[in-house]
Amino acid sequence: SYVLTQPPSVSVAPGQTARITCGGNNIGSKSVHWYQQKPGQAPVLVVYDDSDRPSGIPERFSGSNSGNTATLTINRVEAGDEADYYCQVWDTSSDHWVFGGGTKLTVL
Amino acid sequence: EVQLVESGGGLVQPGGSLRLSCAASGFTFSTYNMNWVRQAPGKGLEWVSYISSGSSTIYSADSVKGRFTISRDNAKNSLYLQMNSLRDEDTAVYYCARDAKSGYCTSTTCSYSFDYWGQGTLVTVSS
Repeated sequence: SYVLTQPPSVSVAPGQTARITCGGNNIGSKSVHWYQQKPGQAPVLVVYDDSDRPSGIPERFSGSNSGNTATLTINRVEAGDEADYYCQVWDTSSDHWVFGGGTKLTVL
Repeated sequence: EVQLVESGGGLVQPGGSLRLSCAASGFTFSTYNMNWVRQAPGKGLEWVSYISSGSSTIYSADSVKGRFTISRDNAKNSLYLQMNSLRDEDTAVYYCARDAKSGYCTSTTCSYSFDYWGQGTLVTVSS
């Protein structure tokens, strides 16, 4: 089955740029989605189709995808961005949705 | 306003059964594909099952195949998850999530994301 690998944690100071990676075999050929989940809340879609943003999501959130790595980039990080972030793809070989293990973003 | 409200969670003994419901409102439920996703305490997200808008296509994770059954009633704007032979490891918050309307599938990917999620219902399997 397809495996997505994320770093368990990323730390960044306010105002700096956070980059959260999602590794997978030839993930660049897949459409990657990113979700933000704050404690006690349901996940929220922040980036879909590698780099598109749903309405209401700040432009500070962006995504890219190439080769074996997809990346969620958060510019000018704010305290309110502190959350868990998950990447997601569809595995066509198994007809399963796959989530990465999640990355906890800490704002120092 | 799109709303997804899960119900039916609770405490159940190992080997027992439970039926979760997800009541949808604020959109034309019958035209959207739907999913169940779960999250064990302190753990990450795990996709559980998918059902197409007309119930013609169903996919399930290997961990629940043969035990859990996804279904829907478009007349009642409701999604269901029948869970049988429950195990300790099924303990989790269960979310229903809507597939985005626009998307495409190719030989290597499908671009549909989960654009709305419910708040979840907690299922605890314990003796």
